[in-house]
Amino acid sequence: EPEVTQTPSHQVTQMGQEVILRCVPISNHLYFYWYRQILGQKVEFLVSFYNNEISEKSEIFDDQFSVERPDGSNFTLKIRSTKLEDSAMYFCASSEGQRQPQHFGDGTRLSIL
Amino acid sequence: QQQVKQSPQSLIVQKGGISIINCAYENTAFDYFPWYQQFPGKGPALLIAIRPDVSEKKEGRFTISFNKSAKQFSLHIMDSQPGDSATYFCAASNNAGNMLTFGGGTRLMVKP
Repeated sequence: EPEVTQTPSHQVTQMGQEVILRCVPISNHLYFYWYRQILGQKVEFLVSFYNNEISEKSEIFDDQFSVERPDGSNFTLKIRSTKLEDSAMYFCASSEGQRQPQHFGDGTRLSIL
Repeated sequence: QQQVKQSPQSLIVQKGGISIINCAYENTAFDYFPWYQQFPGKGPALLIAIRPDVSEKKEGRFTISFNKSAKQFSLHIMDSQPGDSATYFCAASNNAGNMLTFGGGTRLMVKP
């Protein structure tokens, strides 16, 4: 069964450094998403992306965050200057179309020191 | 108004029993309600979903019951098995987009 893959599984970064999280969505999917889950808390929406542009974003997704689809298969989340509170699990998801089921990857655990 | 409230936070059920998890919402624009199952170290996996045009949906041992007037929906797991032990999240999205708003999660433990 096709799946969303995310790399790395764990990223440790010094506060203030830039980090890029990578995702390969399911190949025929057109909509891509990033969510995050702080330890012990609920999953929170960050951003959705379609047709090479952001379609929705939450209050969490401020100027420190950006997303990109640099080629036909990868979807990335960049955090420009990481803060301690950015430590969380970051999940990528994709869906075939708008308002279709979203399929999640296994996440990248981001630890900011 | 964007919140989805989920209860209980944790649940212990004996093998063969029925697990019931409840969610409530305020935003009447929500019109898609999925349930996700998450095992430790894994991402949320879509279990079952419902739209408000039906009051119940069943897939195998999993049933969603939906009460539009009360703005509540619930997940029932029949004949619960130890392999069902996981964290379950309800979620909702509205007709304007794709953003999923998640409930706080329920950690289910099924005892053999």
